[in-house]
Amino acid sequence: DMKVTQMPRYLIKRMGENVLLECGQDMSHETMYWYRQDPGLGLQLIYISYDVDSNSEGDIPKGYRVSRKKREHFSLILDSAKTNQTSVYFCASSPRENTEVFFGKGTRLTVV
Amino acid sequence: KTQVEQSPQSLVVRQGENCVLQCNYSVTPDNHLRWFKQDTGKGLVSLTVLVDQKDKTSNGRYSATLDKDAKHSTLHITATLLDDTATYICVVGDRGSALGRLHFGAGTQLIVIP
Repeated sequence: DMKVTQMPRYLIKRMGENVLLECGQDMSHETMYWYRQDPGLGLQLIYISYDVDSNSEGDIPKGYRVSRKKREHFSLILDSAKTNQTSVYFCASSPRENTEVFFGKGTRLTVV
Repeated sequence: KTQVEQSPQSLVVRQGENCVLQCNYSVTPDNHLRWFKQDTGKGLVSLTVLVDQKDKTSNGRYSATLDKDAKHSTLHITATLLDDTATYICVVGDRGSALGRLHFGAGTQLIVIP
């Protein structure tokens, strides 16, 4: 069963707290992504990972970092969360050789 | 500057009616274009992918066209059902592999009423 799983699905944090968003996939895809989705905007790429410990900044990396120690797992970390990081975060994975992409169900993060 | 523009922003149709969603883009190169369906509170699910210079695809009640010369795509939904209520997102990829970048439209929110 091809799946991208995100945990948690909902999260409320106070400004200044650290946040850890987890993503897993069971398809052995080399490439994984973190996006955020805000009302009226298309998904924006935060980070992309081409494989274990091979991560690159996307279009909006400021305030975020990532970790990929296993191919099937990709984490997004917010050190000292800010209110403007309130958003829905999507993880996705893709095989290196083609254009297919699979999305998780998203994590709705609210920073108060 | 937004490179993928979708219209209309929102659309209300009665169950059984047909509808057409539009996608215009300026992404270069434009290797492929994919339409996704996003149910409320859910992830994106791929409906179809278009690759050729002038391409057409069909997937049940969903059909799509792509004209790379015009940088324009349409998604047609025939005989809409209540379950078609969702946001439809147009995505343009600039390469034929995961090494490329995906450019997302903001989506068209479709509401199907009884």
